[in-house]
Amino acid sequence: EDKVVQSPLSLVVHEGDTVTLNCSYEVTNFRSLLWYKQEKKAPTFLFMLTSSGIEKKSGRLSSILDKKELFSILNITATQTGDSAVYLCAVRGGTSYGKLTFGQGTILTVHP
Amino acid sequence: GAGVSQTPSNKVTEKGKYVELRCDPISGHTALYWYRQSLGQGPEFLIYFQGTGAADDSGLPNDRFFAVRPEGSVSTLKIQRTERGDSAVYLCASSLMGRPGGDEQFFGPGTRLTVL
Repeated sequence: EDKVVQSPLSLVVHEGDTVTLNCSYEVTNFRSLLWYKQEKKAPTFLFMLTSSGIEKKSGRLSSILDKKELFSILNITATQTGDSAVYLCAVRGGTSYGKLTFGQGTILTVHP
Repeated sequence: GAGVSQTPSNKVTEKGKYVELRCDPISGHTALYWYRQSLGQGPEFLIYFQGTGAADDSGLPNDRFFAVRPEGSVSTLKIQRTERGDSAVYLCASSLMGRPGGDEQFFGPGTRLTVL
């Protein structure tokens, strides 16, 4: 059974800090790993990673995948209060082309 | 519309009743997905459609749950004889479903179902 574990479960920082969120996974026939940000209801897409070692970057956010060690990290530099949210990691693999298996999420709180 | 829309946004029902939840995907997206999210958990896969057909329904918890997408666009998730344990946020997502590694899925705002 596919499994995704995120750590830490929650994190409290102050504006300007840098944070690293972790995602480890177990999946047969890995296809891709995705990161989402969930503030109120709809998770919003951040990154999709398919290849090891290639960093994806968008503004202050970046992410990288290690397919040998089966994990990914999401970095946020110079955090702002608007970064407060639940960050979800999901993997796609196995025999299902579309199914995503999600972790339980990391709750990030950024204080001013 | 610009994004995935879901109706209703909230649904309160009594145990044993039947409910229907609707999802309107992004125009042109061929794949549509249903997930269920309980408080403090990540979304849990239920079913996904490629066009009109259910490509994977392995996440449906039992035969009280059923979903259709008759014209390859709008989908309806149907729950019969609702139970209190069905209370959750039901999320719908859609994607282009074209690339070998899969596509990013774009989520709607969800329907919060409460079974009393």
